[in-house]
Amino acid sequence: NAGVTQTPKFRILKIGQSMTLQCTQDMNHNYMYWYRQDPGMGLKLIYYSVGAGITDKGEVPNGYNVSRSTTEDFPLRLELAAPSQTSVYFCASSYGRGTGNTIYFGEGSWLTVV
Amino acid sequence: GQNIDQPTEMTATEGAIVQINCTYQTSGFNGLFWYQQHAGEAPTFLSYNVLDGLEEKGRFSSFLSRSKGYSYLLLKELQMKDSASYLCAVRDKVTGGGNKLTFGTGTQLKVEL
Repeated sequence: NAGVTQTPKFRILKIGQSMTLQCTQDMNHNYMYWYRQDPGMGLKLIYYSVGAGITDKGEVPNGYNVSRSTTEDFPLRLELAAPSQTSVYFCASSYGRGTGNTIYFGEGSWLTVV
Repeated sequence: GQNIDQPTEMTATEGAIVQINCTYQTSGFNGLFWYQQHAGEAPTFLSYNVLDGLEEKGRFSSFLSRSKGYSYLLLKELQMKDSASYLCAVRDKVTGGGNKLTFGTGTQLKVEL
């Protein structure tokens, strides 16, 4: 069972370039999330989605865009990359309703903007 | 919003017991999670508390007091592989369900011989 898969694992971008981090899950979860984690810090929510066609901003959405055309996929788009976007990015998913629903994380994408 | 506070780092001895505390101030509370994160890896789920009291799961236990805005993670019979960062996360009340989690900065635990 693949769980949450995100690509690429590592990427170096130049300032001003754009790229998309891909995320897919095979657990039929309706909720998906993108977090970023800076060194020595906790995870901060960028965007989340409660189902196909529905997305909403998290704590730190500036400089990012998302789309959710299918249940399985939740790509994160970086437009005009900046050094402040150097971070580790985690995609995650969960079932929607009920208490105690565990969030499952992908393995992370290490992004450096130079 | 949420404000979550946990110690930055702790050191303990193999075979011992360690308690990692987490305090939170919240505008809405719908559960508290503990995650373990090894260096360079994704966080993995350890425990979940929504009601007051102790939840035990093998060597790991988690406690919650909602009135005090306080939780702890207790690790028994420490092993070297327990060296990791432990993240406390609080779940917001989100319309329609879901898990909008706010994470603390994590406690880096080092287990020594």
